[in-house]
Amino acid sequence: DIQMTQSPSSLSASVGDRVTITCLPSQSISTYLNWYQQKPGKAPKVLIDATSSLQSGVPSRFSGSGSGTDFTLTISSLQPEDFATYYCQQSFNIPATFGQGTKVEIK
Amino acid sequence: EVQLVQSGAEVRKPGESLKISCQGSGYSFSNDWIAWVRQMPGKGLEWMGIIYPGGSDIRYSPSFEGQVTFSADTSISTAHLQWSSLKASDTAMYYCARTPRCYYDSSGPVRCDAFDIWGQGTMVTVSS
Repeated sequence: DIQMTQSPSSLSASVGDRVTITCLPSQSISTYLNWYQQKPGKAPKVLIDATSSLQSGVPSRFSGSGSGTDFTLTISSLQPEDFATYYCQQSFNIPATFGQGTKVEIK
Repeated sequence: EVQLVQSGAEVRKPGESLKISCQGSGYSFSNDWIAWVRQMPGKGLEWMGIIYPGGSDIRYSPSFEGQVTFSADTSISTAHLQWSSLKASDTAMYYCARTPRCYYDSSGPVRCDAFDIWGQGTMVTVSS
């Protein structure tokens, strides 16, 4: 199985901050990388698929980049509704493993 | 509206069996894949496997192979996840999620698109 390592595991940030989350697969996955947001008590929601394709309705302050073994999710200006846990997922092969998550908390 | 609606929370004792469900609506249930994802209390997401309701294709994660069984009934647009003998370690939230496409090689499905629709989750508690 491909191991997905996210960093940091948690971070504290203020509204308006730029936030970057990194995801490192254990092997190259081309651009088969998705990002999900999960709020407490809710199901995950896909934000970005195929590394950088923003899902319909997702604000443009979210962006994704990378390829191979190094990927990044960036929130350009953190908003109150963005405080949540973020997961990367590789869809290069099966099982389509997730990262361990990054919890974004209010500073 | 495209949605997946899961069955309600369950409490069982170790050794008991259980079947939970995930009903799709607003789209062609037979033509898209359904995945199951586990989230243990306070932990991350784990990909359990996928099923194609319109055919016989099923793929389990090695971590879950032999521990659970997937099935689907297209007549009621419902996928199921079942256990024959629950353990305390099965206590978790279980999500179903749709992916519109998986890609094949000669061995079967090898890659699937992102999960675009999720059920609300079913909490399973196993305790004596």
